[in-house]
Amino acid sequence: DAMVIQNPRYQVTQFGKPVTLSCSQTLNHNVMYWYQQKSSQAPKLLFHYYDKDFNNEADTPDNFQSRRPNTSFCFLDIRSPGLGDAAMYLCATSRTSGRADTQYFGPGTRLTVL
Amino acid sequence: DAKTTQPNSMESNEEEPVHLPCNHSTISGTDYIHWYRQLPSQGPEYVIHGLTSNVNNRMASLAIAEDRKSSTLILHRATLRDAAVYYCILHRDDKIIFGKGTRLHILP
Repeated sequence: DAMVIQNPRYQVTQFGKPVTLSCSQTLNHNVMYWYQQKSSQAPKLLFHYYDKDFNNEADTPDNFQSRRPNTSFCFLDIRSPGLGDAAMYLCATSRTSGRADTQYFGPGTRLTVL
Repeated sequence: DAKTTQPNSMESNEEEPVHLPCNHSTISGTDYIHWYRQLPSQGPEYVIHGLTSNVNNRMASLAIAEDRKSSTLILHRATLRDAAVYYCILHRDDKIIFGKGTRLHILP
């Protein structure tokens, strides 16, 4: 089945130690999104790619970076994780960014910062 | 501002219909209304979307008010597996912004 895959499902890192989360998709969608979801909160959009065009949300901290080397893969890099960055990180895709298009979400990576 | 307002939580009995309301008074003419749900420990999943007319699919129905300032997600026969947080979202520009959603509890 076509799907959105996130690895690893659980990631533990140390305070200040860079960490990379990965997302891959078999849907061949043009758009890939990264969301942060803290406990009991709604997902918060960090940034998204339309093909190679990167779109950063205004309030996304500089500590968060992203790479999309090809259509299938997208990475979230946290350069110096703080305790406040502990969260579920969700990757999503959509065929286009059109208003009638739907997003397909991966299962998420739960990040713990020690 | 593409803001939606939903009840924080709702309860329903198993095998009964559930009507989840959403207010979106600031909706613009080209905004689509989307519903997603998030089961425990999973990523959100798409439920249904519409623009002006009511919509049905295998998961649910979406009833949209004539003035489009509100909508209702209808689960025709709730099961325990429908217990989740349901998000009503206005799709504007090139992204969706999640609100707080409604936590739906299903009572056996």
